[in-house]
Amino acid sequence: QSALTQPASVSGSPGQSISVSCTGIGSDVGSYNLVSWYQHHPGKAPKLIIYDEYSKGPSGVSDRFSGSKSGNTASLTISGLQAEDEADYYCCSYAGSSTWVFGGGTKVTVL
Amino acid sequence: EVQLVESGGGLIQPGESLRLSCAASGFTVSGTYMTWIRQAPGKGLEWVSVIYSGGSTYLADSVKGRFAISRDNSKSTLYLQMNSLRAEDTAVYFCAKGGRSNAFDAWGQGTMVIVSS
Repeated sequence: QSALTQPASVSGSPGQSISVSCTGIGSDVGSYNLVSWYQHHPGKAPKLIIYDEYSKGPSGVSDRFSGSKSGNTASLTISGLQAEDEADYYCCSYAGSSTWVFGGGTKVTVL
Repeated sequence: EVQLVESGGGLIQPGESLRLSCAASGFTVSGTYMTWIRQAPGKGLEWVSVIYSGGSTYLADSVKGRFAISRDNSKSTLYLQMNSLRAEDTAVYFCAKGGRSNAFDAWGQGTMVIVSS
């Protein structure tokens, strides 16, 4: 199973909106409405922020995070970018037969 | 509060075995699916294995035949038995709790495994 494709890095200024894309193939992202997004500050536990492509993760996830999907590409949008959003972001899709596939990760930098 | 704490990582030689543990609290490990996910140095996340509440287990192709996932309900602990370790198994290993819609809603901070001679 090949990893989902994400841009290596995305940057933005405080207050701006940025989007991170996640492209798969027909047997993962395109076949299931089961894409999730995780925020990871290195050295800490990753955190679920979006599941079901657009549903907010456990309580405490900011409304500034939103998700969407079109065909084989899912997207995470962070609006009103804040310094605390600087982290690595990973998409993940269920890939059938009780397997999952992650994206390569995107480093978000707040300028 | 849900908490996951991994342990058991370390430096090990190629071909040897290691067992990782993940102590869970705040929920019942047998009541949901649990997974292991790893991150090699400088790389992205890679799903490794899952165990469902009914006991069924599945492994990624990269570790099939070498790794095994299990749990001890009485100890609320998840395990990953890793045999015939290779240099490419070097990674931080995270355990994660399965949640709604095949997403992982709680993670541990990980334990580092280094396979090197």
